[in-house]
Amino acid sequence: SQQGEEDPQALSIQEGENATMNCSYKTSINNLQWYRQNSGRGLVHLILIRSNEREKHSGRLRVTLDTSKKSSSLLITASRAADTASYFCATDKIQGAQKLVFGQGTRLTINP
Amino acid sequence: DTEVTQTPKHLVMGMTNKKSLKCEQHMGHRAMYWYKQKAKKPPELMFVYSYEKLSINESVPSRFSPECPNSSLLNLHLHALQPEDSALYLCASSQPAGGLFRANEQFFGPGTRLTVL
Repeated sequence: SQQGEEDPQALSIQEGENATMNCSYKTSINNLQWYRQNSGRGLVHLILIRSNEREKHSGRLRVTLDTSKKSSSLLITASRAADTASYFCATDKIQGAQKLVFGQGTRLTINP
Repeated sequence: DTEVTQTPKHLVMGMTNKKSLKCEQHMGHRAMYWYKQKAKKPPELMFVYSYEKLSINESVPSRFSPECPNSSLLNLHLHALQPEDSALYLCASSQPAGGLFRANEQFFGPGTRLTVL
């Protein structure tokens, strides 16, 4: 299975601290994406990193990709209470109609 | 308009009922998706439509029947569901990916919370 595993499953930190989530996958990929999901709602795209990229930034988000280790990390700096959500990595490898396979997710809680 | 809308927000149905979930987007996307998500689990792909044609069916039981009437609309027809089909059903859209390194973000609707009694 291509499905990714995320680590940790749950993370609770204080507001203002940095949060790091990791994602590992099993097969070669074209791209890796990170999504956020607030409780019981739809997913919001955060960032996409291609297999030939190693690092990408977007605001307070930093994503790294190590294809040799088949792993990625998402760093959220200076966390806020509004960052409380579940975070999923998703990989794709099929051309044409895009098939995403999601990791198990990390539930992040930011304590005020 | 960067929104994907889904109706209804909540649906309760018996095992003998027939109902439909609806999804709409006006971003000009030509790929649309149905996902099923159980509590505390990741979304699981069910169907993909590309240019209004079904391109991926992830071995979904026939009691789920997708339909793409036009490039903006996606339906999921439900019939004779089982209680284990209770879940959050998410619709998404994107531009179809093409080429080795081209991929596009998917825009998700808020989902329909389905309960089968």
